Amino acid sequence: NAGVTQTPKFQVLKTGQSMTLQCAQDMNHEYMSWYRQDPGMGLRLIHYSVGAGITDQGEVPNGYNVSRSTTEDFPLRLLSAAPSQTSVYFCASRRTGGFQETQYFGPGTRLLVL
Amino acid sequence: QKEVEQDPGPLSVPEGAIVSLNCTYSNSAFQYFMWYRQYSRKGPELLMYTYSSGNKEDGRFTAQVDKSSKYISLFIRDSQPSDSATYLCATMNTGNQFYFGTGTSLTVIP
Repeated sequence: NAGVTQTPKFQVLKTGQSMTLQCAQDMNHEYMSWYRQDPGMGLRLIHYSVGAGITDQGEVPNGYNVSRSTTEDFPLRLLSAAPSQTSVYFCASRRTGGFQETQYFGPGTRLLVL
Repeated sequence: QKEVEQDPGPLSVPEGAIVSLNCTYSNSAFQYFMWYRQYSRKGPELLMYTYSSGNKEDGRFTAQVDKSSKYISLFIRDSQPSDSATYLCATMNTGNQFYFGTGTSLTVIP
């Protein structure tokens, strides 16, 4: 059971480039989400999904796209990278239901946009 | 106003000390509260959760919620160097959206 996996671990982009951050989970969780973590700002929700084919925006969605074609995968796309998107990105998954359902986080992707 | 506010610290204590970590939240409708621990260069992991007001104890850790003052706390007794990490408080709304504090960095000195 690998849990939540993220690739790549680290990426450097130039302004205007696009890329996809991959996230996969093998726990058959319905709920998946993407966060960014910045110093002094904490974890902020970018997008989330409550099941395959269903996505919704979080607190800071601008500049990011997501799709959920399968239960296991939830990729995050940066359409045209900007320096303001330099951050650490975490993917998370949990079973839907009560608050007692644990949210599991991946190891993170560190992104630097020059 | 952010949904959850947390003192970022850093906090440095000697081994064996009692540690108190605190957060405030803005929306009185929140009923679910969590504490996550995050080691350096790792993803957060759930430490404890509580529902509504009251205390919950798990070993050396106690989570406390005071809904009248919108205050949530985490106490660590007999702190150990392995407790050195960043601690994030969080709450969840009825739509399954999570709101996190900025995290408090804790160092326990042997």
